[in-house]
Amino acid sequence: GENVEQHPSTLSVQEGDSAVIKCTYSDSASNYFPWYKQELGKGPQLIIDIRSNVGEKKDQRIAVTLNKTAKHFSLHITETQPEDSAVYFCAASQNNNNDMRFGAGTRLTVKP
Amino acid sequence: ETGVTQTPRHLVMGMTNKKSLKCEQHLGHNAMYWYKQSAKKPLELMFVYNFKEQTENNSVPSRFSPECPNSSHLFLHLHTLQPEDSALYLCASSKEGQGASNLYGYTFGSGTRLTVV
Repeated sequence: GENVEQHPSTLSVQEGDSAVIKCTYSDSASNYFPWYKQELGKGPQLIIDIRSNVGEKKDQRIAVTLNKTAKHFSLHITETQPEDSAVYFCAASQNNNNDMRFGAGTRLTVKP
Repeated sequence: ETGVTQTPRHLVMGMTNKKSLKCEQHLGHNAMYWYKQSAKKPLELMFVYNFKEQTENNSVPSRFSPECPNSSHLFLHLHTLQPEDSALYLCASSKEGQGASNLYGYTFGSGTRLTVV
């Protein structure tokens, strides 16, 4: 089955700096890659996703890149703000939602 | 609010108790999921329901029993749990589809923090 690894497990940046979180996956058939943000006391919330026919996707300060050959994908947050502090999860899936597999999460802290 | 509501938010139960967790969504989604979230571990998929039919049971012990009476409601019945079952239990829903273009992300509830004593 699919195995998703996520790095780093913790990340601390200064406000205004960029943050990058990386994930690798094992199954070359995976073709859908969402990212979730989990704030304290809440469930994970989908913030951006990318499909295998696209190499990069942006939404304001966040962007995701996908390298299918290397089987890795990354989340980029620019101009970080304290409210970006949360745990971020990557995930990978094939043709249906039954096989969605999540990374272990990255705790991002943005220092003011 | 995300559109997926879980109750209760917190639950403390003894190992001999029987309790149930409830999840409700009115987003028009046709797939619902139970996940277990433990500290420093990836989210663990427990059960999947598509159009009210269970399509995945990820080797979950029988002390956890899911029920999906309709596509908007999902329950997790708990019986004779162990302390290691203490965790955050998350419910999620999504549109179910085949093929990458029909895949969508999940909408999660806020979870039930379960403590087994």
